[in-house]
Amino acid sequence: EAGVAQSPRYKIIEKRQSVAFWCNPISGHATLYWYQQILGQGPKLLIQFQNNGVVDDSQLPKDRFSAERLKGVDSTLKIQPAKLEDSAVYLCASSLGRGKNTGELFFGEGSRLTVL
Amino acid sequence: GNSVTQMEGPVTLSEEAFLTINCTYTATGYPSLFWYVQYPGEGLQLLLKATKADDKGSNKGFEATYRKETTSFHLEKGSVQVSDSAVYFCALMDGGSQGNLIFGKGTKLSVKP
Repeated sequence: EAGVAQSPRYKIIEKRQSVAFWCNPISGHATLYWYQQILGQGPKLLIQFQNNGVVDDSQLPKDRFSAERLKGVDSTLKIQPAKLEDSAVYLCASSLGRGKNTGELFFGEGSRLTVL
Repeated sequence: GNSVTQMEGPVTLSEEAFLTINCTYTATGYPSLFWYVQYPGEGLQLLLKATKADDKGSNKGFEATYRKETTSFHLEKGSVQVSDSAVYFCALMDGGSQGNLIFGKGTKLSVKP
């Protein structure tokens, strides 16, 4: 079974530039999560999708971050414009979905962003 | 709000030593508790979980018991191996959650041969 795929693995940009990360969850997983992991901290939820609808985006800095999951499968997270404090690893995870939430999330390897 | 506190690392042990990584939580109601592990170069993966008080989660020789009276979920292993070197994250999912996890900061474990 293929795992959660993310790209790119690494990205270096200047502040005020834009960047986009892509995620393809495990086939059949209805719920998709984007987490931000700053160095030395645990992952923090940015946004959660159930199919193509947003379940929770309360911690997403909406002035600069956006995310979509148009067809309920893969997802894109965008940052525009980037700030220095956005340097982090962006983790995508998926799970089976609502009503079956066991807390078992399947994570991708992450996309490491460095903002200079 | 809900939160998880775990012991600071890094932790360095010799092979076959006993491991304890402390984790305490703050939550309303009855959360489910988890340990996730991140091996070098890999994504986070579930190690074990417990969904109610006094439950013991176990996997790969690791164990953790859900202690409601002390709001703790300490991770233990009787004899660590070099291959256990990784970052360990304690996490909770509250009863009303849509499946979102709240993570601790992680504890890096290095096991020396």
